[in-house]
Amino acid sequence: NAGVTQTPKFQVLKTGQSMTLQCAQDMNHEYMSWYRQDPGMGLRLIHYSVGAGITDQGEVPNGYNVSRSTTEDFPLRLLSAAPSQTSVYFCASSFGAGDTQYFGPGTRLTVL
Amino acid sequence: DAKTTQPPSMDCAEGRAANLPCNHSTISGNEYVYWYRQIHSQGPQYIIHGLKNNETNEMASLIITEDRKSSTLILPHATLRDTAVYYCIVRVIIQGAQKLVFGQGTRLTINP
Repeated sequence: NAGVTQTPKFQVLKTGQSMTLQCAQDMNHEYMSWYRQDPGMGLRLIHYSVGAGITDQGEVPNGYNVSRSTTEDFPLRLLSAAPSQTSVYFCASSFGAGDTQYFGPGTRLTVL
Repeated sequence: DAKTTQPPSMDCAEGRAANLPCNHSTISGNEYVYWYRQIHSQGPQYIIHGLKNNETNEMASLIITEDRKSSTLILPHATLRDTAVYYCIVRVIIQGAQKLVFGQGTRLTINP
């Protein structure tokens, strides 16, 4: 198993550009989530999904969209990038909401 | 949300046991204690979790006090590769979302 994979590893955007951060898992996990990590602030939940076709907002969803068309993939879309979205983004997955989450390697995003 | 308090940094000699303390005095009865670690800027790596009883796996042991207000993560024979930031987390399930409340963590340095 590859576990949780994320692409790209690094990305630089200009303000106003859009992009999609990819996340995939091959563990047949139903629950997937996106976090952002900023210096000194720990990880904060952006969006999560309890299964294909179902998504919901976390604590910091503004400026981000998600979709879950398959069990394996959970992309995160930035509609119009802002400097405040400069961060490291982690995707995580687990069998269910009550199970241990496993994290991907992260995407380091810089918005100029 | 239950918050955790950890010392900001600790040192340990290679080959010795590393004991990392954590206070979670406001933890609720159904909330689990999880430990993750983060090496450099990699994704958080799951270590161990528990509710009431002490737990052990191939990586570490977790000792939870009877009143559940504190816990200790034990790495029995620390190696240089155990140098990382260790996060003690109280896991909360809110309306179907798994919330991992990351604090500042303990930066553990293993010295040769």
